[in-house]
Amino acid sequence: NFVLTQPHSVSESPGKTVTISCTGSSGRIASNFVQWYQQRPGSAPTTVIYEDSDRPSAVPDRFSGSIDSSSNSASLTISGLKTEDEADYYCQSYDGTNLVFGGGTKLTVL
Amino acid sequence: QVQLVESGGGLVKPGGSLRLSCAASGFTFSDTYMTWVRQAPGKGLEWVSYISGRGSPIYYADSVKGRFTISRDNAKNSLFLRMDNLRAEDTAMYYCASMKWNYSPRFDFWGQGTLVTVSS
Repeated sequence: NFVLTQPHSVSESPGKTVTISCTGSSGRIASNFVQWYQQRPGSAPTTVIYEDSDRPSAVPDRFSGSIDSSSNSASLTISGLKTEDEADYYCQSYDGTNLVFGGGTKLTVL
Repeated sequence: QVQLVESGGGLVKPGGSLRLSCAASGFTFSDTYMTWVRQAPGKGLEWVSYISGRGSPIYYADSVKGRFTISRDNAKNSLFLRMDNLRAEDTAMYYCASMKWNYSPRFDFWGQGTLVTVSS
């Protein structure tokens, strides 16, 4: 089964830049698009990045996504961190049958 | 605007059954793949099942295959999840979501969820 692995948690200070990784267990992560979802406590997830690097219009350009085929991984980078960015972040892809989520990364902005 | 409203959650005993519903509005429901995603308390997101706009194809996660049945009523803009033989590990918030496809699928809009608790 295809597995996406994320760090359990990351923390950074306001105004700084943080990168969250998402590594595929097998195959080529670039074979299917990767999405990133933000989930604040008590709320449903929302999309911050879709199709590897595209942003919904309501998401600030401080959020960016990329793929590194050499390491079979995707990354979410958030620059100019704000306290409102504190949330859980999930990567998501597809293995041809199943939609797969990473385990989630808790971002703390302190 | 798009709205997805789940209902039907509650407390059920192990081995019991429950039927979740999701009322959709604000988009062409019959043209849209729909899905259920769950989240156990304090845990991550887990995809459960999805169904095409026409009702087929349908896919399930291995953890629910043979116990859960997804269906839809396009005339009523409604999505359903019939859950049988429930286990404690099925305890979770269940989200209904619309999907988009561009070579591969992704989640688009989400409901606020309905809580299912399986306990004796």
